[in-house]
Amino acid sequence: DTQLTQSPSFLSASVGDRVTITCRASQDIRGHLVWYQQKLGKVPKLLIYGASTLQTGVPSRFSGSGSGTEFTLTITSLQPEDFATYYCQQFNSYPLTFGGGTKVEIK
Amino acid sequence: EVYLVESGGGLVQPGGSLRLSCAVSGFTFSDHYMDWVRQAPGKGLECVARIGVRGNSFIPEYAASVNGRTTISFDGSKNLLYLQMNRLKTDDTAVYFCTRDGGKYRFDYWGQGTLVAVSS
Repeated sequence: DTQLTQSPSFLSASVGDRVTITCRASQDIRGHLVWYQQKLGKVPKLLIYGASTLQTGVPSRFSGSGSGTEFTLTITSLQPEDFATYYCQQFNSYPLTFGGGTKVEIK
Repeated sequence: EVYLVESGGGLVQPGGSLRLSCAVSGFTFSDHYMDWVRQAPGKGLECVARIGVRGNSFIPEYAASVNGRTTISFDGSKNLLYLQMNRLKTDDTAVYFCTRDGGKYRFDYWGQGTLVAVSS
């Protein structure tokens, strides 16, 4: 199975901050990496797929990059509605696996 | 509009069985892979089962944590996706989401989830 390791697992940031979350895969997953946002008690929301393609309707302050084994999610100017937990997921091989999550909280 | 609506969760004793359903609408099921994803209380996400059409057959795949105890299936006449879970363990306690693989390797639609609690 492909393991995904997210870092940090928790970060505290202020509105307006630039935030970067890293996802490392235990093997080459090419560009088959997805990012989701989940707010407390809610359903995960698709943000980015194919490592860098923004899902329709997602604000442009979100961006993704990377390939192979290292990927990043960047939020250029954190907004109040962005405080949530973020998960990466690999779609390269079954079982599809998720990272452990990064909780973004208000400083 | 795409809709995924789960049902069938509840409280079950260890060793028991449960069948979850996901009513799907707004798209042609056979055009997409469908997955069940679970989330234990306060924990992360885990894909447990997947089904898709290859040729003329539905092909299931399972995570190791549920393999041998779980069956994913689809009833085309009712547009229902199922997850039959047997020999349930306390570790199976989670919210179970039905998801659609929207192509281009992504889950683009999720149901609201149904809670399965395994406890004596």
